[in-house]
Amino acid sequence: DTEVTQTPKHLVMGMTNKKSLKCEQHMGHRAMYWYKQKAKKPPELMFVYSYEKLSINESVPSRFSPECPNSSLLNLHLHALQPEDSALYLCASSQAALTSGRANEQFFGPGTRLTVL
Amino acid sequence: QKEVEQDPGPLSVPEGAIVSLNCTYSNSAFQYFMWYRQYSRKGPELLMYTYSSGNKEDGRFTAQVDKSSKYISLFIRDSQPSDSATYLCAMNPGNTGKLIFGQGTTLQVKP
Repeated sequence: DTEVTQTPKHLVMGMTNKKSLKCEQHMGHRAMYWYKQKAKKPPELMFVYSYEKLSINESVPSRFSPECPNSSLLNLHLHALQPEDSALYLCASSQAALTSGRANEQFFGPGTRLTVL
Repeated sequence: QKEVEQDPGPLSVPEGAIVSLNCTYSNSAFQYFMWYRQYSRKGPELLMYTYSSGNKEDGRFTAQVDKSSKYISLFIRDSQPSDSATYLCAMNPGNTGKLIFGQGTTLQVKP
């Protein structure tokens, strides 16, 4: 298995809902990442987990809550989102952890397209 | 001024042309340079990963890094309509994992 998978592909939620995005990789990668991408913009880093520990939080609002239950799985829990949070949410992984420059060699999943009403 | 500058295009070329995509940057500490291809409504796909200066070739793709000029390029030979996508450069000074992306260049290859 040489890919990053994300579920669901699409998600529509109201501002009072609680939902979760899921990301999996079975490549033995040691770091996993959440990015947010708005239309016609590059991805913006949100969170980084290295060896299952949260290493970077890019000052993301608390309505986004990441979780890394094990080395293959990364979740993003969503609660009380705003319409401006509508975007493509991308998960990525890298074989190397943040102790190596090869942590920059990141492989992305297909993304979850989120719409907040 | 953005740390990484990339012309958004669009860039339109005929099939079979050689395509040159470029990024300039201001942070001389950048050491790791990546190129990603992103099709519409899909996740970015890593095309090239390079460290420091020099050239790297992979099939029809060649990546060049000129650190003295703070300039990186991606060349696509014998371009195909299937190469039509947005191309993102990304870079990082070290091993933080935080990629600094350019804005992306939209490429259209016409049959």
